[in-house]
Amino acid sequence: DTEVTQTPKHLVMGMTNKKSLKCEQHMGHRAMYWYKQKAKKPPELMFVYSYEKLSINESVPSRFSPECPNSSLLNLHLHALQPEDSALYLCASSQNPRDRGGGYTFGSGTRLTVV
Amino acid sequence: GDSVTQMEGPVTLSEEAFLTINCTYTATGYPSLFWYVQYPGEGLQLLLKATKADDKGSNKGFEATYRKETTSFHLEKGSVQVSDSAVYFCALYNAGNMLTFGGGTRLMVKP
Repeated sequence: DTEVTQTPKHLVMGMTNKKSLKCEQHMGHRAMYWYKQKAKKPPELMFVYSYEKLSINESVPSRFSPECPNSSLLNLHLHALQPEDSALYLCASSQNPRDRGGGYTFGSGTRLTVV
Repeated sequence: GDSVTQMEGPVTLSEEAFLTINCTYTATGYPSLFWYVQYPGEGLQLLLKATKADDKGSNKGFEATYRKETTSFHLEKGSVQVSDSAVYFCALYNAGNMLTFGGGTRLMVKP
């Protein structure tokens, strides 16, 4: 299995809703990442998990809450989002945080619309 | 800090034309360099990579050579197809840091 699987593919939520995005990989990668991508822009790093521990939080608002239950799963819990949070949310994984040569494997993303 | 600069798009070509997308970088040390491709409505896919100077990455007819003297990693393809239409991101990874992306270049190939 060489894929990162994200669910759901599309999500529409109201500003008072609570929802979660899920990401799964079975490649044995020990680093997992959440990125946010707005239209016509490169991905922006949100969070990094290294060996199931949060190692980087790029000053993301608290309405985004990451969780790494085990080495294969990564969740992003959403609460009280704003319309400007609408974007493509990408999950990625890599062999380990200091793997210079392997690159990241990205999922197909969740297209989030906040209404 | 590290940074990656790509030529602004969109780049519009006819099928079978030669493609070059320029990428230059600024980084300390010896970063690894990558090209990712994003097709409409999808995530990013690793297209090719190079981990040291003078390495050439290649995949699906695309090539890029890691030029340390010019701090460049230009993407080339000899004959593009309509199916190559996508956004291409150049990126670097430096030890202890995270992946740094360029701004992306949209390629449109017309039949």
